[in-house]
Amino acid sequence: ETGVTQTPRHLVMGMTNKKSLKCEQHLGHNAMYWYKQSAKKPLELMFVYSLEERVENNSVPSRFSPECPNSSHLFLHLHTLQPEDSALYLCASSQGTERNTEAFFGQGTRLTVV
Amino acid sequence: DAKTTQPPSMDCAEGRAANLPCNHSTISGNEYVYWYRQIHSQGPQYIIHGLKNNETNEMASLIITEDRKSSTLILPHATLRDTAVYYCIAFLPRAGNMLTFGGGTRLMVKP
Repeated sequence: ETGVTQTPRHLVMGMTNKKSLKCEQHLGHNAMYWYKQSAKKPLELMFVYSLEERVENNSVPSRFSPECPNSSHLFLHLHTLQPEDSALYLCASSQGTERNTEAFFGQGTRLTVV
Repeated sequence: DAKTTQPPSMDCAEGRAANLPCNHSTISGNEYVYWYRQIHSQGPQYIIHGLKNNETNEMASLIITEDRKSSTLILPHATLRDTAVYYCIAFLPRAGNMLTFGGGTRLMVKP
């Protein structure tokens, strides 16, 4: 248990569906992140939020829409996804300052687009 | 962040020390060396980090060369549960900055 909780753990959705992934942390961190891990590929950073503001968007398609309503919660809204979007989606949080600290990852949501 | 180079895979016998190397020849003076591991289909787990000095915690030891161009993660008594992909990352901790993962080393601990 890392203190970062992701729900759901598994999700199967059709290409026309709309769904949301949720991430929650109560570690007092002020930065949160979404990563994508496709089969046999390195983790890819998707979005970075620092103090609830998006500070990085790594050319992610608009069918992925992040939302950070407060420093403890992060969402990833999904709509009209493609089968190639099937992957493990990981949320992480960190202190997000210049202090030397590690990031904590959730267990991920295994997404399958059919 | 500086690029790191790791062997794609390694084997280790259970109970023996696992020594995982990492090259980071372009690391800058204020970048730290971080190690994470990822057990199959789980989120990455922080192991250890260091800047110049060797570091040790309950999980592992980190040996950084004097010129900081390479480092070695040591798992002193590897168990089957240590089978995972191990990532070495040169990272500058600052607001808005985040870890960039490469391919890592797939460590297989064998009985």
